[in-house]
Amino acid sequence: GAGVSQSPSNKVTEKGKDVELRCDPISGHTALYWYRQSLGQGLEFLIYFQGNSAPDKSGLPSDRFSAERTGGSVSTLTIQRTQQEDSAVYLCASSARATGDTEAFFGQGTRLTVV
Amino acid sequence: KQEVTQIPAALSVPEGENLVLNCSFTDSAIYNLQWFRQDPGKGLTSLLLIQSSQREQTSGRLNASLDKSSGRSTLYIAASQPGDSATYLCAVQGGNTPLVFGKGTRLSVIA
Repeated sequence: GAGVSQSPSNKVTEKGKDVELRCDPISGHTALYWYRQSLGQGLEFLIYFQGNSAPDKSGLPSDRFSAERTGGSVSTLTIQRTQQEDSAVYLCASSARATGDTEAFFGQGTRLTVV
Repeated sequence: KQEVTQIPAALSVPEGENLVLNCSFTDSAIYNLQWFRQDPGKGLTSLLLIQSSQREQTSGRLNASLDKSSGRSTLYIAASQPGDSATYLCAVQGGNTPLVFGKGTRLSVIA
């Protein structure tokens, strides 16, 4: 596609339920990032995929969070047993290479509300 | 650990003014620095990417500079317009590491 696509754009879920957030990166981009942004806060790094290397999971806040990237393309971020503090905008980005000399492009985000 | 600071946190200027947003980072071993714009409730739009070997990049009324050795970057906006009102984010990236963001500068341009 022309840009990074995220779905759904909005998600309301009940506390304790599991949710899956999807990210379609720009075709051919090997690096993919997940961040979250709580209301009025900066961007918090979650996880980083770079080609076929093991992902950098150092930003995941708890073991309720996991992510996978299938076939080097689409990525899914899963939050199990959601809590109210998980409410935030989850942003995905991709870039052409993992070496850091290329521009990162962001999707429009998924706004997650846990009630 | 890389830390990015943006000053000021908020800025309000009258239309037509030139303005400068500041970004500083603690580890100068970066591959690139990128400036983004974020409108309320929206994702991030990339404005300018400066690679570590470059000193500045320009796009229209925007000019970004990079002084890697001192850990600083500035984003200069010429002849500001109300449509420039947004939050401006600075992010740096090292080799095979994720982007590290500042908390942003919230800009309001008053007509």
